[in-house]
Amino acid sequence: GAVVSQHPSRVICKSGTSVKIECRSLDFQATTMFWYRQFPKQSLMLMATSNEGSKATYEQGVEKDKFLINHASLTLSTLTVTSAHPEDSSFYICVVASGRSGELFFGEGSRLTVL
Amino acid sequence: AQSVSQHNHHVILSEAASLELGCNYSYGGTVNLFWYVQYPGQHLQLLLKYFSGDPLVKGIKGFEAEFIKSKFSFNLRKPSVQWSDTAEYFCAVNAYASKIIFGSGTRLSIRP
Repeated sequence: GAVVSQHPSRVICKSGTSVKIECRSLDFQATTMFWYRQFPKQSLMLMATSNEGSKATYEQGVEKDKFLINHASLTLSTLTVTSAHPEDSSFYICVVASGRSGELFFGEGSRLTVL
Repeated sequence: AQSVSQHNHHVILSEAASLELGCNYSYGGTVNLFWYVQYPGQHLQLLLKYFSGDPLVKGIKGFEAEFIKSKFSFNLRKPSVQWSDTAEYFCAVNAYASKIIFGSGTRLSIRP
């Protein structure tokens, strides 16, 4: 069964609204989760590293005020795209690292379309 | 900093041809290496991974990869490709439980 649950799988919103994407670790407690973005016909780009109980670490060029990450518990991280614009339309994927085995587990991804 | 290079952006082969996709990485410590496949319109799927041990790793669907530490390479191979192997292939690297860095991807097109 799935180790990581990501919701919603698809979301369509109007420009200017905010969208929240949830990533849940189902099988183990995850102190670290990673958020990636994949534009069509491109590779996955790391946006930020989400750390439980502390601020997320953002990659260069990613606006932390636009992409709010909250990792309030050991099994849940959320990514909120604030004031979304059409250029934010993308596929967002969370990845959870098992601290015990070092393995990485991918969420199913969330396709965001901003009209 | 970690980085991954996939030099072949688009590879076109005929069915039954042999495949080798290049992947080189840059990292100073012990790494885990992965190959993922993304079929058109679908999510990423793990083909194979190398954590330690035998440097020749066998994955799903007849794919294999060889880790050559001295060359910082982890090339993907398949002896005989099929039309259904048409997809985007991503090499990736991470340190233990750390962020995973993806290569830019190689698009594989198979002529029937």
